[in-house]
Amino acid sequence: AQKITQTQPGMFVQEKEAVTLDCTYDTSDPSYGLFWYKQPSSGEMIFLIYQGSYDQQNATEGRYSLNFQKARKSANLVISASQLGDSAMYFCAMREGTLNTGFQKLVFGTGTRLLVSP
Amino acid sequence: DAGVIQSPRHEVTEMGQEVTLRCKPISGHDYLFWYRQTMMRGLELLIYFNNNVPIDDSGMPEDRFSAKMPNASFSTLKIQPSEPRDSAVYFCASSLEGQGEKLFFGSGTQLSVL
Repeated sequence: AQKITQTQPGMFVQEKEAVTLDCTYDTSDPSYGLFWYKQPSSGEMIFLIYQGSYDQQNATEGRYSLNFQKARKSANLVISASQLGDSAMYFCAMREGTLNTGFQKLVFGTGTRLLVSP
Repeated sequence: DAGVIQSPRHEVTEMGQEVTLRCKPISGHDYLFWYRQTMMRGLELLIYFNNNVPIDDSGMPEDRFSAKMPNASFSTLKIQPSEPRDSAVYFCASSLEGQGEKLFFGSGTQLSVL
């Protein structure tokens, strides 16, 4: 079974608009972490945002916010006020367990390609 | 501060040759990871180290792959002999315990095995 599912292979958004990238996950571990990474065409992987399973508030980092719905096992990334430089692949990832229990693998989804148009 | 440094950036080799990929993690980080990215399989964790000790190598595809971390500032991933199906982008990443939610990735090595 897929641990991380990103159902949108591609998304289009106009500059200055908001966009939501979907991510659902599957785990039976009560302790886990959810991440979003950005991969521009240059290839590097850039950490965007993190949400812990016990965090009460949705994570925010500048224009990025994570819409965490624990009961639905979803962790959607919201990018507000899209910019041309946001065009990239976006990967959702999950870490099960905590560092104290032994670092678990960071499992990635298949990614969503976002294209921001002028 | 310098990020994770990988070399070479691109590697083109012929089938059967030995390939060595190199990684310098961020200074002070105690976890190091090797990932492989392909179109078919996405991002896969190959192996990770904690304090230079290999912890989980279950993602290493076969015995042709080996990884070492002789000290806290250097790691290698070796493929011997290389095969065309090994063609991929290989990423090294590091993190610090207590900040384990943030993996810092290198720029990757684009490997092409002809």
